[in-house]
Parts: sequence; C-alpha cells; structure tokens
Amino acid sequence: DGGITQSPKYLFRKEGQNVTLSCEQNLNHDAMYWYRQDPGQGLRLIYYSQIVNDFQKGDIAEGYSVSREKKESFPLTVTSAQKNPTAFYLCASSPGTRNYEQYFGPGTRLTVT
Amino acid sequence: AQSVAQPEDQVNVAEGNPLTVKCTYSVSGNPYLFWYVQYPNRGLQFLLKYITGDNLVKGSYGFEAEFNKSQTSFHLKKPSALVSDSALYFCAVRDNWDTGRRALTFGSGTRLQVQP
Repeated sequence: DGGITQSPKYLFRKEGQNVTLSCEQNLNHDAMYWYRQDPGQGLRLIYYSQIVNDFQKGDIAEGYSVSREKKESFPLTVTSAQKNPTAFYLCASSPGTRNYEQYFGPGTRLTVT
Repeated sequence: AQSVAQPEDQVNVAEGNPLTVKCTYSVSGNPYLFWYVQYPNRGLQFLLKYITGDNLVKGSYGFEAEFNKSQTSFHLKKPSALVSDSALYFCAVRDNWDTGRRALTFGSGTRLQVQP
C-alpha cells in the first residue's frame, strides 16, 4: 500500500451524518481517485482529480463531495444524501502519465447505521 | 464505453497446479490493461500491465498475463499456484482516450482459492 495513507481504517456513523474520509499520498503523484467497493461489484469510480484545484465526477458521484486543495491530499465527504453509504472506500493515486497505473491505499470501511 | 468482463466469480485450483484467471475487455484504440490483487480488508496491489510490445507480460510474484488482441483477452496465469496466492483478482482497462476521462475501469473481480 506504500505511500498512500487512508484514515481511519474503520468508521462508524449514524444515518443522516456527513463523514469525511482522509487520503494522503507522498508519492508526488498528480492524479488521485476515489473508488467504492461493494461485494460482487468490483470497484466503482466516485471522483477523480488530475491536478490540484480540479476534480471530475466518476460513475457514482451522487451523495459524495471532494476537494483537492493540496497535491498530496484528496478527502472524500460522504453526505447524508448518499442512500447506501456502507461500503469499503479505496483511494488511489497515479503519476498522471498516459499509462495510468494506479497505486492504492489500504482502504476505509464505513458502516452507517 | 469501455468495459471489462471477468466471467468467473471464483477459480479453484490445487497447490502446484497452473492457474488461469480470465479477463476480456472492450475499448476503442490501443488497450492499456492491468491486473491487481486484493487480500482481505486491504487495498489493491499492482501485479502487471500491458501497454505495448510482447503479448506475454511478466509481473510480480511469478504471475504473467497473455494479451490476445483478436480475442480481446488478457488472461492472468501462473505456472504453479501457491496457497498464498488465494485472494481477489481484478482486471482493469484504461478508459477510452476520447471520453476525456483519465481513469481505469475495473472488472467485478475473481476470487482465487488455492487448496493445499
């Protein structure tokens, strides 16, 4: 998982509360990504950012928000508008070169009750 | 849009036997293909990639993958499986360049179980 940290590893929240997941990288990568993983569905892209102060929606952005104020940080906020927030969330980064090899953090398991 | 199919939810193989995890893809232009492995409650680890060149790509932990353009496949292989290879494997393809989206599209994953 080297170079990318996600905290916390486990997170519990009550329904209706917003929660922010942290992702930090020290790889000097330009691009960063957030994925959601549910059993049997693989990884689905939530948001991605190719450069500081810029980000784009992925396939399932509704109910989520991000910011990219610093190159090394890409926090994800799961809002109360997200209907089914319980999932495993993975952050990744990439040098931003054309081949797009991505490096993943250890993940955060969010449980909302 | 680009897509990746991993037709097997699970593959079972005995230790010491060869293993194959299948992947087919659909993308416009030249494919950039990747394999990742995930152990329980962990992030994904990069195994190997195909960008161009030889159709047989060698990667980490003794894994290799065979790119077949005519069959649009990128199957993961290992000559001799280890119990420690048991994990979840993901195939991925770089998004179509003309979409403007600079990301990877992942398959649904294949669980590999290696029996002692």
